[in-house]
Amino acid sequence: AQSVSQHNHHVILSEAASLELGCNYSYGGTVNLFWYVQYPGQHLQLLLKYFSGDPLVKGIKGFEAEFIKSKFSFNLRKPSVQWSDTAEYFCAVTPYGNNRLAFGKGNQVVVIP
Amino acid sequence: DVKVTQSSRYLVKRTGEKVFLECVQDMDHENMFWYRQDPGLGLRLIYFSYDVKMKEKGDIPEGYSVSREKKERFSLILESASTNQTSMYLCASSFFGTSGINEQYFGPGTRLTVT
Repeated sequence: AQSVSQHNHHVILSEAASLELGCNYSYGGTVNLFWYVQYPGQHLQLLLKYFSGDPLVKGIKGFEAEFIKSKFSFNLRKPSVQWSDTAEYFCAVTPYGNNRLAFGKGNQVVVIP
Repeated sequence: DVKVTQSSRYLVKRTGEKVFLECVQDMDHENMFWYRQDPGLGLRLIYFSYDVKMKEKGDIPEGYSVSREKKERFSLILESASTNQTSMYLCASSFFGTSGINEQYFGPGTRLTVT
């Protein structure tokens, strides 16, 4: 079964700092990749997704992610975080054509004003 | 605007009770999912359904069952609730995309406490 690894479950950083969250998956074939975000008290919502084309994907709120196929990675980045980016972030992977997502364990990110 | 709704935000039940969690989506999606979310464990798939009356086990189906009698509605049933089923339950739906882009839309969650 495929698995998704997210490291550094708890991340604390100051406003304006840069953020990078790692995501590695174990599936060897073609995959679709997602980052979801859950702000405190809110629904899980899509931040960005990759299915093909340019491996650098831009999402909402200034986030981007880079797909590196050789490293089985899909890392999330934001150059300068804000207090409002405090949330839990989940990486998810599905094989192409499959409707089932495998989620990582999440990164709890706290941004200190 | 896409919408997935869940019947309750908070629920408290006693051990041994039968519990029903309801989920409704208004996007005409074929696929519907039930997850549980626990701190440090992420989202784990309990069951999913890709069509009316169809269901498949996820990663942690033990102690749960599901029902999908209508396309828009997917129910999760705890036949005999236990304290280790205290958790946040999330429902999601997605379309059956032939291109493989299967973005899931999530409901607000039901926080279930079993005492």
